[in-house]
Amino acid sequence: AQTVTQSQPEMSVQEAETVTLSCTYDTSESDYYLFWYKQPPSRQMILVIRQEAYKQQNATENRFSVNFQKAAKSFSLKISDSQLGDAAMYFCAYRRKLTGNQFYFGTGTSLTVIP
Amino acid sequence: DVKVTQSSRYLVKRTGEKVFLECVQDMDHENMFWYRQDPGLGLRLIYFSYDVKMKEKGDIPEGYSVSREKKERFSLILESASTNQTSMYLCASTGTIGFAGQPQHFGDGTRLSIL
Repeated sequence: AQTVTQSQPEMSVQEAETVTLSCTYDTSESDYYLFWYKQPPSRQMILVIRQEAYKQQNATENRFSVNFQKAAKSFSLKISDSQLGDAAMYFCAYRRKLTGNQFYFGTGTSLTVIP
Repeated sequence: DVKVTQSSRYLVKRTGEKVFLECVQDMDHENMFWYRQDPGLGLRLIYFSYDVKMKEKGDIPEGYSVSREKKERFSLILESASTNQTSMYLCASTGTIGFAGQPQHFGDGTRLSIL
């Protein structure tokens, strides 16, 4: 089974500041997808950002961007200008491109935003 | 917008009972998934289905079974509920077009307590 590791169980950030959440993964595949999901308290999990391993350019979605280091098998999420609504559990996930039915999730990072 | 609906947000059952968790999606997705979410363990895949009547075991299938008689509906069954199955259960679906790059769409979750 693939392994996705989020080594920071909890993080905090001041409102308007920038925070980076870490994710590493283990794979022997060369092409795959990586995802960051957000789960606000008592609310539905939603997709934040997605990266295809084949593409070298880092994905960006508004205040959210990733630092994808394929050789290091690292996929960190940077949240700029943090807002109170960013407080949530964040999960990193991996999916193989071929025969890619299964997603593999990390254990999550709980982000607190301090006003 | 994709909608994934889980039949109950909260459920309380007794040990030994047979428990059914229902999930319905409205986007004609081929793939549906059941996860269990526990603090510090992230999301663990119980079962997934890639077509009607098709299913595959995930990482923790013991004590669970699933049913997919119609494309839009995926049921999780606890054959004889035990206290260690107290958890948050998440249903998700994803399409096949564009295949592995498709993100998962999640339901709101069912918080199941076994007494």
